[in-house]
Amino acid sequence: KQEVTQIPAALSVPEGENLVLNCSFTDSAIYNLQWFRQDPGKGLTSLLLIQSSQREQTSGRLNASLDKSSGRSTLYIAASQPGDSATYLCAVHSNYQLIWGAGTKLIIKP
Amino acid sequence: GAGVSQTPSNKVTEKGKYVELRCDPISGHTALYWYRQSLGQGPEFLIYFQGTGAADDSGLPNDRFFAVRPEGSVSTLKIQRTERGDSAVYLCASSTAHGTTDTQYFGPGTRLTVL
Repeated sequence: KQEVTQIPAALSVPEGENLVLNCSFTDSAIYNLQWFRQDPGKGLTSLLLIQSSQREQTSGRLNASLDKSSGRSTLYIAASQPGDSATYLCAVHSNYQLIWGAGTKLIIKP
Repeated sequence: GAGVSQTPSNKVTEKGKYVELRCDPISGHTALYWYRQSLGQGPEFLIYFQGTGAADDSGLPNDRFFAVRPEGSVSTLKIQRTERGDSAVYLCASSTAHGTTDTQYFGPGTRLTVL
């Protein structure tokens, strides 16, 4: 059974710092992996989708990597801003379902 | 264009009551998904529709939960004899097709509270 874990559960950093969020999964048989952002009271916004054949994807200040063999993905956020404060969730597309981690709550201090 | 919408945004009900939660997907999206998210957890898959049919309902926790999508667009999640443990945010998502490359677009969710 696929399980997804995100560490840390919460992270607080000063504005301007670069940071890395971690996601690990137990079954390497995945179609893709997605990183989402969730703001309080709002829905989920897809940030990056990495296909199983890809190693990384970039969008603006965000870079996501995927190492399928080791069951790991990282989300790198450069030059963090207060507006980046949110909960970040990773989800793996496995057996035609999205299996989710519990998320990392990120706070960027001005 | 309009995104995925869900109504109501909040629903408070009493234990044992029946509730219906509605999802309007993005126009033209054939795949529709329901998830449930408890506090501090990631979403949990409930059911997925391809067109009008439920292609995978393996995530529905028990037979009190049922969902329909009669015309292949709007979907309704129905919960009978609600229990306090059903309290959660119910999320709906849609995608252009149920492919492994398709991004799911999420609605804002319905927060269900069972007293």
